Amino acid sequence: AQSVTQPDIHITVSEGASLELRCNYSYGATPYLFWYVQSPGQGLQLLLKYFSGDTLVQGIKGFEAEFKRSQSSFNLRKPSVHWSDAAEYFCAVGAELTGGGNKLTFGTGTQLKVEL
Amino acid sequence: NAGVTQTPKFRILKIGQSMTLQCTQDMNHNYMYWYRQDPGMGLKLIYYSVGAGITDKGEVPNGYNVSRSTTEDFPLRLELAAPSQTSVYFCASSEAGAGEQYFGPGTRLTVT
Repeated sequence: AQSVTQPDIHITVSEGASLELRCNYSYGATPYLFWYVQSPGQGLQLLLKYFSGDTLVQGIKGFEAEFKRSQSSFNLRKPSVHWSDAAEYFCAVGAELTGGGNKLTFGTGTQLKVEL
Repeated sequence: NAGVTQTPKFRILKIGQSMTLQCTQDMNHNYMYWYRQDPGMGLKLIYYSVGAGITDKGEVPNGYNVSRSTTEDFPLRLELAAPSQTSVYFCASSEAGAGEQYFGPGTRLTVT
């Protein structure tokens, strides 16, 4: 069974500083990998996804992530954080379901706080 | 284009009551999903559907039922509410089986 580990529960960075959120996954085959962001009281919004090909993936809002198969990691990065980036971030791995569909297994999330 | 909509936004139930959480998508997606999110946890899959008339269990289906009579709608039914079902419920849909899932805004349910 697949699993996702986000080792950092909370992270605080200063506005303008760089950011890296860690994600490690366990999955037997080539994974589908996702990063979602959740603002308070909101649903989840997709930041970026990796299915195949280039291991450095660009997403919305200036985020990027790098897939490293040898480390089973899919870390999220941003060169300069804005105060509006404060939110909870979820890494997820997708696996095909019986009969179709894609089950997302989520990590427990990383809460990002941005200091002005 | 509203995407995925969910009603109600909030609900308080007494133990043993029943209710239906509504989910509608206007993107003509075949695949729809119900997740629950508990504090400090990621989302867990309750039920999913690969098309009208076809549903299957996810990781945590006990205490819930679903139906899918149309492409647009995927309601989640709680028959005998229990405190363990206090959670935030998210509905999602996707076009392709392995594609991006679009999430609704969630329903916050409290069972007391």
